Amino acid sequence: DTGVSQDPRHKITKRGQNVTFRCDPISEHNRLYWYRQTLGQGPEFLTYFQNEAQLEKSRLLSDRFSAERPKGSFSTLEIQRTEQGDSAMYLCASHRLISGNTIYFGEGSWLTVV
Amino acid sequence: KQEVTQIPAALSVPEGENLVLNCSFTDSAIYNLQWFRQDPGKGLTSLLLIQSSQREQTSGRLNASLDKSSGRSTLYIAASQPGDSATYLCAVEGGAQKLVFGQGTRLTINP
Repeated sequence: DTGVSQDPRHKITKRGQNVTFRCDPISEHNRLYWYRQTLGQGPEFLTYFQNEAQLEKSRLLSDRFSAERPKGSFSTLEIQRTEQGDSAMYLCASHRLISGNTIYFGEGSWLTVV
Repeated sequence: KQEVTQIPAALSVPEGENLVLNCSFTDSAIYNLQWFRQDPGKGLTSLLLIQSSQREQTSGRLNASLDKSSGRSTLYIAASQPGDSATYLCAVEGGAQKLVFGQGTRLTINP
């Protein structure tokens, strides 16, 4: 396993711009999760996929946020019309249903909106 | 709504001490509880996972306990080392591996 990979690791953008983050889960992990973490806080659940199906979205995920996992492998998280309050680390995690409950997190993508 | 609280928010101890980090949660209907470690600016590394039917788990110098009925968990670190310095996060799962995290305890081990 090569681990959960996230790209880019850091992104600085101007308010109002769109940004997209990519997550490559561990191979054969059928569940993929997105979390958001602000400074000094624990991560908060945003959404998750089982294969290509998005099964749940948190109320934190406003209509400016969209996540996809088109072929059940990598996933993208897009934020449209970014606001300063979107500044956070966006964490991706993956899990394989049949191999126990360990969930693996990526290194995160830091977003700074200026 | 599940809420997870970690006490203390920060802890600084000299090297070699044994220490305990605390985690409490409001809804006892959990599938499991996990402890994670997070280094500054990095992702999370799973340390220990306790299933709801278990009372404790051990890994090396780490021991985590779970009292589901009282909504409490503790992480015990024996013989602390400077390399243990990190933020420790507690998280409970209510289903589908969706985790609810506490705010974390920032631990500093002084040489």
